[in-house]
Amino acid sequence: GQNIDQPTEMTATEGAIVQINCTYQTSGFNGLFWYQQHAGEAPTFLSYNVLDGLEEKGRFSSFLSRSKGYSYLLLKELQMKDSASYLCAVRAPNTDKLIFGTGTRLQVFP
Amino acid sequence: DVKVTQSSRYLVKRTGEKVFLECVQDMDHENMFWYRQDPGLGLRLIYFSYDVKMKEKGDIPEGYSVSREKKERFSLILESASTNQTSMYLCASSPPEGRQHFGDGTRLSIL
Repeated sequence: GQNIDQPTEMTATEGAIVQINCTYQTSGFNGLFWYQQHAGEAPTFLSYNVLDGLEEKGRFSSFLSRSKGYSYLLLKELQMKDSASYLCAVRAPNTDKLIFGTGTRLQVFP
Repeated sequence: DVKVTQSSRYLVKRTGEKVFLECVQDMDHENMFWYRQDPGLGLRLIYFSYDVKMKEKGDIPEGYSVSREKKERFSLILESASTNQTSMYLCASSPPEGRQHFGDGTRLSIL
């Protein structure tokens, strides 16, 4: 079966660092995506990992361990505008379809 | 920038009606997708199209059909709308092996 797990909700303080975890059990793997979705808006692409290791992009970084079926999204220097849902999605081999987790709703407080 | 446009942000229909949701993308992407998003369930794939006139069922195709007569347009059809189809519907497009770009969504209410 296909299963992607993320925490449902997280809270953090402005200026802090937060790590959002994603574990997956899928029949095959061909990349993992992170998307950000503000309430009432479209998901927007944040990062893509297909090889093990850390990808850094400004305040956001994403890590992948294929052997552990694990990824995390790291957000540094949190800002109020980072309050949003963060969606983890896995792509299986030989397809462009994605399997999405249920998303993690992050609330940033002053 | 890729633009994916969904025809309506909000739509209210009645049970039993035939409902059309339209999606247009302007980047010549081969792939187009229809999802529904419900609280606690995340994004679930309804249908996927990888080329004109080609379609593939997603995880929850029951009660839905799709049409892709032109590359830029992908339509989702609710044959006979029911209250359990009240949801947020998201369209996306992507090139092969590329990232998906989403429209703003249509919040559909079936009364």
